[in-house]
Amino acid sequence: QQQVKQSPQSLIVQKGGISIINCAYENTAFDYFPWYQQFPGKGPALLIAIRPDVSEKKEGRFTISFNKSAKQFSLHIMDSQPGDSATYFCAASMETGGGNKLTFGTGTQLKVEL
Amino acid sequence: EAGVAQSPRYKIIEKRQSVAFWCNPISGHATLYWYQQILGQGPKLLIQFQNNGVVDDSQLPKDRFSAERLKGVDSTLKIQPAKLEDSAVYLCASSWQPREQYFGPGTRLTVT
Repeated sequence: QQQVKQSPQSLIVQKGGISIINCAYENTAFDYFPWYQQFPGKGPALLIAIRPDVSEKKEGRFTISFNKSAKQFSLHIMDSQPGDSATYFCAASMETGGGNKLTFGTGTQLKVEL
Repeated sequence: EAGVAQSPRYKIIEKRQSVAFWCNPISGHATLYWYQQILGQGPKLLIQFQNNGVVDDSQLPKDRFSAERLKGVDSTLKIQPAKLEDSAVYLCASSWQPREQYFGPGTRLTVT
């Protein structure tokens, strides 16, 4: 019930192409869905996030699509650039007593080739 | 604004030894988290502090792991004794808004 499933495990995209990463969750108590970007040797950094009352959120080249009925959400990276090469984690969050708990997916290693 | 600071960045120990990690959160952030990230996996929450009180330690292996946050600022995470399966990156994060967590660079632990 606490799992967040993420696919694909790795992804190679040509420069200028669209990168798509998919996630699915089970627990309907999750109410906040962030995406994190992690470069080697660095901690994860918040990229973009969405709440389940919204079906899409766009920030620059990054878009989250959210399907509440299917319990699925995805990250689209438009015009992918070599600098986007990193590991991407989806996550799901729920309020707990005194705070919120993040459950992460297993990650997608994105490589953008020239 | 300075980010979350962690030290050391790397640590190699033998199994059954002890190790401690230190975290200094972003100034003013009341909530502090410790995560374990095993190679090829997403971070897993070990413990969450609100000021200097524990909010959630349900996934902390309490027989060998301990954590404290004195005066509601810095925090230390200790492993005693370490096992091979503890090899991972230990990430500290902090937040002042409930939903936005800021991560430090992590400490890479190798247990041999």
